[in-house]
Amino acid sequence: DAGVTQSPTHLIKTRGQHVTLRCSPISGHKSVSWYQQVLGQGPQFIFQYYEKEERGRGNFPDRFSARQFPNYSSELNVNALLLGDSALYLCASSQDYRVGAKNIQYFGAGTRLSVL
Amino acid sequence: AQRVTQPEKLLSVFKGAPVELKCNYSYSGSPELFWYVQYSRQRLQLLLRHISRESIKGFTADLNKGETSFHLKKPFAQEEDSAMYYCALSVTGNQFYFGTGTSLTVIP
Repeated sequence: DAGVTQSPTHLIKTRGQHVTLRCSPISGHKSVSWYQQVLGQGPQFIFQYYEKEERGRGNFPDRFSARQFPNYSSELNVNALLLGDSALYLCASSQDYRVGAKNIQYFGAGTRLSVL
Repeated sequence: AQRVTQPEKLLSVFKGAPVELKCNYSYSGSPELFWYVQYSRQRLQLLLRHISRESIKGFTADLNKGETSFHLKKPFAQEEDSAMYYCALSVTGNQFYFGTGTSLTVIP
């Protein structure tokens, strides 16, 4: 199993641009979560999707949006990029989202976004 | 508001010494707590979770609801334990909150 895969690995954008990050979950996992990790901080929860529906949302502005596709892969979109959006964006997949044995999150290697 | 606090950013111990990484949380409901670890050049991965009540790689963590703590402990640290450790809180299963992490260095 390849594990959770994210693309691209690195990205450089300028302020005001739009970016799309992609995530493929582990086969059989129906839930995908997105996190932002700024240098020196822990991951900050952005969204969780399960069966193509948003199940959780962190404290991020509306410039951040996401969706999940029928094959359970997911995209994170960020509009009107700011310098402060520079971070490592992590995707995690799990079999389920509800409390219990199946909500263990498996993380991808991340996409490093630099906004200039 | 839910919050996870890891008071130590850096922690160094000698090989064979006991180690304790502190984690405190604030949440009024029933928490689900985890410890994640990130070894050098590797992905973030689950170390253990409180509902499993198991010991992984010699590490244990006990949920203390009275003190709202979930400290990670190991009686004898090994060099391969050197890594970044994150405590995480799950709220109703669909929101996760991570602490800022503790970088553990085990000195040979």
